[in-house]
Amino acid sequence: GAVVSQHPSRVICKSGTSVKIECRSLDFQATTMFWYRQFPKQSLMLMATSNEGSKATYEQGVEKDKFLINHASLTLSTLTVTSAHPEDSSFYICSAGGTGPADQPQHFGDGTRLSIL
Amino acid sequence: DAKTTQPTSMDCAEGRAANLPCNHSTISGNEYVYWYRQIHSQGPQYIIHGLKNNETNEMASLIITEDRKSSTLILPHATLRDTAVYYCIVMKTSYDKVIFGPGTSLSVIP
Repeated sequence: GAVVSQHPSRVICKSGTSVKIECRSLDFQATTMFWYRQFPKQSLMLMATSNEGSKATYEQGVEKDKFLINHASLTLSTLTVTSAHPEDSSFYICSAGGTGPADQPQHFGDGTRLSIL
Repeated sequence: DAKTTQPTSMDCAEGRAANLPCNHSTISGNEYVYWYRQIHSQGPQYIIHGLKNNETNEMASLIITEDRKSSTLILPHATLRDTAVYYCIVMKTSYDKVIFGPGTSLSVIP
């Protein structure tokens, strides 16, 4: 079935570092990808919608200069957390919608656990 | 997109059927009901979806009421590996952004 791959699965880095997370659709083309953040014991919170070939749409309260999103191809979207600080430590998850039937379900990556020291 | 309400938590004995309810009283005619689950420290996993007919796959069954205002996800023989948070979501298409509620935390008990 459809698979979405995220890389890396876990990253630990120092405060001030920029971290890039990749989200790939492995066997389908994804015109739209979504990025979520999840804090412990909370639900997923949508950060932004990534559209291939155009600028991402950010949810209210999400800093676009802090969380840079690039969706350069139909199979790859990247999220870069710039100048990360400890409060950016979280579980980041992407999902992808395909180009098939409208009710084809979105598929989610396995997430990236980001820890900023 | 329509909102959904689900119980916060449920327990189910291993081997028994787990019935997870969801209310979506403001669902519109062209919105589908999707179910996902999230096992600890993993991304959400798609389970099943439907529009108005009942659906069944290898994982679960989905029962949608005739007025479409509520639905029930049925795991016919729950195992310990089914312990997870289950999310009921309504969307028009898979290109729509998914707004997650708190979901139902299902604990399968030996």
